Amino acid sequence: QLVESGGGLVQPGGSLRLSCAASGFTFNNYWMTWVRQAPGKGLEWVANIKQDGSEKDYVDSVKGRFSISRDNVKKSLYLQMNSLRADDTAVYYCARDMAVAGGSYYYYGMDVRGQGTTVTVSS
Amino acid sequence: EIVLTQSPDTLSLSPGERATLSCRASQSVSGYLAWYQQKPGQAPRLLIYDASNRATDIPARISGSGSGTDFTLTISSLEPEDFGVYYCQQRRNWPSYTFGQGTKLEIK
Repeated sequence: QLVESGGGLVQPGGSLRLSCAASGFTFNNYWMTWVRQAPGKGLEWVANIKQDGSEKDYVDSVKGRFSISRDNVKKSLYLQMNSLRADDTAVYYCARDMAVAGGSYYYYGMDVRGQGTTVTVSS
Repeated sequence: EIVLTQSPDTLSLSPGERATLSCRASQSVSGYLAWYQQKPGQAPRLLIYDASNRATDIPARISGSGSGTDFTLTISSLEPEDFGVYYCQQRRNWPSYTFGQGTKLEIK
């Protein structure tokens, strides 16, 4: 199970930090991902992070503004969002991604298990 | 960037009918394609990964096929809970992903 939180209304140029609490699986064996969905639009991958936090990747539109991180002790995933723009308005979902065990990679799909948290960027 | 184009945009069918949804990639994604179903107000649900592998608890009436640039999601006999919006997603350049624009499967 994944439970997102931290969304809300923020002015353009502002910042917000999203959190995702994981349970029911071995969190530190998985890459984790954020995806988003603007109102009435399709899905967009935002960022993901390796199980130990040493590798991160971002969609071009958020590079330099968003930062993904994780705390494996707390079994939590984060998304720090700075310099927010109106087009960042969306529901943000966290998802379980690639599994890694013993140095080998195992893929069972990018599994979106949370209910999402809504971010609205507006003045 | 690999672009995924889904067709049709909308599909109107009745329960019990067969549904065929298509996803075409702008370049080969090998077999690295997934399918999701989303209902209003809900998170997307993973159905198929790597073209033909059903995710946990997905019924056998839902199947995926294809490779390279052309993929198909088939629902052999529609149940009421199968209606919603379906998205394809590629991971050819993982860890990045792209999604298709979606196909709405509605009750006729």
